[in-house]
Amino acid sequence: DAKTTQPDSMESTEGETVHLPCSHATISGNEYIYWYRQVPLQGPEYVTHGLQQNTTNSMAFLAIASDRKSSTLILPHVSLRDAAVYHCILRVGRQQGTGSKLSFGKGAKLTVSP
Amino acid sequence: GGIITQTPKFLIGQEGQKLTLKCQQNFNHDTMYWYRQDSGKGLRLIYYSITENDLQKGDLSEGYDASREKKSSFSLTVTSAQKNEMAVFLCASRKDSNERLFFGHGTKLSVL
Repeated sequence: DAKTTQPDSMESTEGETVHLPCSHATISGNEYIYWYRQVPLQGPEYVTHGLQQNTTNSMAFLAIASDRKSSTLILPHVSLRDAAVYHCILRVGRQQGTGSKLSFGKGAKLTVSP
Repeated sequence: GGIITQTPKFLIGQEGQKLTLKCQQNFNHDTMYWYRQDSGKGLRLIYYSITENDLQKGDLSEGYDASREKKSSFSLTVTSAQKNEMAVFLCASRKDSNERLFFGHGTKLSVL
């Protein structure tokens, strides 16, 4: 799986809309972009994923650049509960064997102030 | 819904000791993973398994063994615990046809 680059940390205030960037300049055509978040003392939790089109769900909006070399996770109106480490990872879709290998980087730590 | 259960939640070992961590999932998922997370750092893949009795090495397999004797369980063995080692070991699973990963709450290891 190709590597991703994220900022080490970002700060925000409750009620703001937060844009978390992720760079994946060497992404392959069959790699999906996944976002997970992790709060202290727990394992990561799935947030969203996409291939080419922007996607939205109850947790976040994922904006994918037209060349797919970067993406942005957008969290509208953040609350204190959104404070977490956000991981952006890539995964080859629906392949057995080495395609099942999933690696996580350090992620980006989002701090939310009252 | 399902759940991933990791046991024990906390594990204290002695230097040189062989330690085993267990993971059970009732999702009926095909693929299971073991990750190690050190304080303030990312998750490093130790082993994964795409089906019962399958084992694939991750980026950090040296010093570890793993076993997938049943589809629902995946165990990890630290072959020789290192003094002052402290980390959280996370188990995860997913079904090949479903792209989401589900994680357990982790086993926190401390070595005296």
